[in-house]
Amino acid sequence: AQSVTQLDSQVPVFEEAPVELRCNYSSSVSVYLFWYVQYPNQGLQLLLKYLSGSTLVKGINGFEAEFNKSQTSFHLRKPSVHISDTAEYFCAVSLRRALTFGSGTRLQVQP
Amino acid sequence: EAGVVQSPRYKIIEKKQPVAFWCNPISGHNTLYWYRQNLGQGPELLIRYENEEAVDDSQLPKDRFSAERLKGVDSTLKIQPAELGDSAVYLCASSRISGSEETQYFGPGTRLLVL
Repeated sequence: AQSVTQLDSQVPVFEEAPVELRCNYSSSVSVYLFWYVQYPNQGLQLLLKYLSGSTLVKGINGFEAEFNKSQTSFHLRKPSVHISDTAEYFCAVSLRRALTFGSGTRLQVQP
Repeated sequence: EAGVVQSPRYKIIEKKQPVAFWCNPISGHNTLYWYRQNLGQGPELLIRYENEEAVDDSQLPKDRFSAERLKGVDSTLKIQPAELGDSAVYLCASSRISGSEETQYFGPGTRLLVL
């Protein structure tokens, strides 16, 4: 079975600063990797996904993530955050069409 | 293109009462998922449908939960009777396979509070 660990439950950061949200996964076979964002009282919105190919994946809203197979990681980064990026971020792995989510990281962008 | 639609958005009931949630997936998406998201946690799969067939319901508590997807489009998730521990957000998602790729698109969820 696969599992996902999001190492930080909360990440406070000042506006215009860079941010990295960490995600590690475990699986005995190749998986697809996803990052979703959830704004208050809303569903999950896809930020980006890694299926194969280039290990650097670019998504919406200026986010990007890098797949590292040797470290089984898929960290999410943004070079300069905005107040509007304040939300909950979920890393997920997909194996045979079943999504397994991490427990989430709350990104708090302060002015 | 319209997204996944869910109703109601919020529901407050007393324990032991029944409750039902409705989901309309994105047009053309043959796969439909129901997830439960407890406070401070990521979503957990309850059931997955391929068209009208439930192909993965291993995590669905079958003593009180039931689901259906008549005609392979809309779906209803029911809890009867509800317990205090059922308070959570119930998310519906849909997807369509394109080659080996599949992305799930989520609805806004139904927030259930059991008193």
